[in-house]
Amino acid sequence: GQQLNQSPQSMFIQEGEDVSMNCTSSSIFNTWLWYKQDPGEGPVLLIALYKAGELTSNGRLTAQFGITRKDSFLNISASIPSDVGIYFCAGQLRDDKIIFGKGTRLHILP
Amino acid sequence: NAGVTQTPKFRVLKTGQSMTLLCAQDMNHEYMYWYRQDPGMGLRLIHYSVGEGTTAKGEVPDGYNVSRLKKQNFLLGLESAAPSQTSVYFCASSYSRYGMNTEAFFGQGTRLTVV
Repeated sequence: GQQLNQSPQSMFIQEGEDVSMNCTSSSIFNTWLWYKQDPGEGPVLLIALYKAGELTSNGRLTAQFGITRKDSFLNISASIPSDVGIYFCAGQLRDDKIIFGKGTRLHILP
Repeated sequence: NAGVTQTPKFRVLKTGQSMTLLCAQDMNHEYMYWYRQDPGMGLRLIHYSVGEGTTAKGEVPDGYNVSRLKKQNFLLGLESAAPSQTSVYFCASSYSRYGMNTEAFFGQGTRLTVV
């Protein structure tokens, strides 16, 4: 079946540092989505990407849709304490199904 | 603007009991999904529906049944709960058309414990 490989699984960084995470697959996706999940909550959409090569920003967050349509990355600049949480990538396949990566857990050290 | 609403939010079941989780969306979405989230496993798709009256198996369908009698509702049933079904369950919905609002929107989750 189709799989998304999300890395890293977890990150420990200092406040103020930049963060980078990515998702790769052997499948081709029509859409890439990046979500954040706070403790006790459902995932909330951060950025949606619809075209290969597309680079989109949302405040301190930047995400790109890989040119091969098989990968995507998310960067967070100048991290702050409220960035703590689990970040998920998700891709939409040609048959419209959406599949999720296993998440990157972000920890910020004081 | 309710979005996706799940009920109940918490539930404790005894092994062998049955229950139904309800998901309701008010965005007129065609697609609806049930996921379970376990530590270190991310989100795994249980079942999904591409429209009213249709359902399909996802990655981990065993032990669950679903129904989509109305477009806005997607029910997840556990006929005989097992401890392995202890998890957080998330419902989501999305439009189906490529390039047109294809984001999935999530409910807040149902935390189920089977003892």
